[in-house]
Amino acid sequence: DAKTTQPPSMDCAEGRAANLPCNHSTISGNEYVYWYRQIHSQGPQYIIHGLKNNETNEMASLIITEDRKSSTLILPHATLRDTAVYYCIVSRPQAAGNKLTFGGGTRVLVKP
Amino acid sequence: DVKVTQSSRYLVKRTGEKVFLECVQDMDHENMFWYRQDPGLGLRLIYFSYDVKMKEKGDIPEGYSVSREKKERFSLILESASTNQTSMYLCASRERGEAFFGQGTRLTVV
Repeated sequence: DAKTTQPPSMDCAEGRAANLPCNHSTISGNEYVYWYRQIHSQGPQYIIHGLKNNETNEMASLIITEDRKSSTLILPHATLRDTAVYYCIVSRPQAAGNKLTFGGGTRVLVKP
Repeated sequence: DVKVTQSSRYLVKRTGEKVFLECVQDMDHENMFWYRQDPGLGLRLIYFSYDVKMKEKGDIPEGYSVSREKKERFSLILESASTNQTSMYLCASRERGEAFFGQGTRLTVV
């Protein structure tokens, strides 16, 4: 699986959009970008994933650059409950024995 | 509601004990994973399994073994627990796409 690079931390104001970047310059053609978050003392929770088109669900939006070497997770209106560590992962969804490897993630602190 | 269940939320064991951490999923997923999480080190993959009786080493397999006798159950075994295995252990399962995680087992080895 391709390696990802994320900033270690960022702050965000409550009610504002949070934009979380991720670099994955070695991504291959059949690898998807996945985002998870981990709230303190809980297991990671899936947020969203995409291949090359932008994606949106009730939690977030995912913007993937045209060359697929980077992406941005957008939390449109951050709340205090969005304070968590956010992980960007690149993985093939269908391969048997496919590792799911997490990097250090971005620690997001939403401030009132 | 899909579920990954880890048998214990908190566990305290003595150095040298054999420790079993159990994980059960109800989604009929092929792939299951064991991670440990330590402050400043993120989630590190210990072992994973892509089918019954099939296993692969992750990034930090030393001191651990696993067992997958049934599709729904994936066990992590510490053959002889040591204090440096004190950690949060997380199990996950995945078929394709998203992975589902258990709530974690906080293991303390004294």
